[in-house]
Amino acid sequence: ILNVEQSPQSLHVQEGDSTNFTCSFPSSNFYALHWYRWETAKSPEALFVMTLNGDEKKKGRISATLNTKEGYSYLYIKGSQPEDSATYLCAFLNDYKLSFGAGTTVTVRA
Amino acid sequence: NAGVMQNPRHLVRRRGQEARLRCSPMKGHSHVYWYRQLPEEGLKFMVYLQKENIIDESGMPKERFSAEFPKEGPSILRIQQVVRGDSAAYFCASSPRLEFGEQFFGPGTRLTVL
Repeated sequence: ILNVEQSPQSLHVQEGDSTNFTCSFPSSNFYALHWYRWETAKSPEALFVMTLNGDEKKKGRISATLNTKEGYSYLYIKGSQPEDSATYLCAFLNDYKLSFGAGTTVTVRA
Repeated sequence: NAGVMQNPRHLVRRRGQEARLRCSPMKGHSHVYWYRQLPEEGLKFMVYLQKENIIDESGMPKERFSAEFPKEGPSILRIQQVVRGDSAAYFCASSPRLEFGEQFFGPGTRLTVL
């Protein structure tokens, strides 16, 4: 069982503020790290697949960085909007299996 | 291109009955994965299948659970003689290729065992 940890478990953000949260994973035998966005009653939606140390990926106001040597990734949301409210999951790819963290639930207050 | 389809979305069974959960992967995807989310827990890998083959079932309970992905038709996760502890959300994901493993998830089937 691979230990993938996310913190914080939840956070509340004022609309317009920026925020970030972390995912830590085993630094050995790294292959890929995935970020998913999961809204209530919907399917988890892939945000990023990150494969290289130092990777930075961006989609709109959401971006992610990757440090494979120390085993962590940050997800950033710039200028949070109510529609950003969701649970953000990271998952470590080992062989073909994804080991998921428990997620960070973001609530954006208007 | 329709997304990953799962049905039923909700399934209620009494203890001892069988549950069959179906997953139709995205068109062109030959890799299918099943995950389970128990109450208050995260997503946990159960089984990985390619067409007609089970590649890894290490996350699936040895008793009562089985999975298949036939040449034609959807992937089926079958739970025999369900117990209350099987109540969970079961998610299917598919991918077109193995490299980096980007997986596309279905909406899940919520199983409730009475």
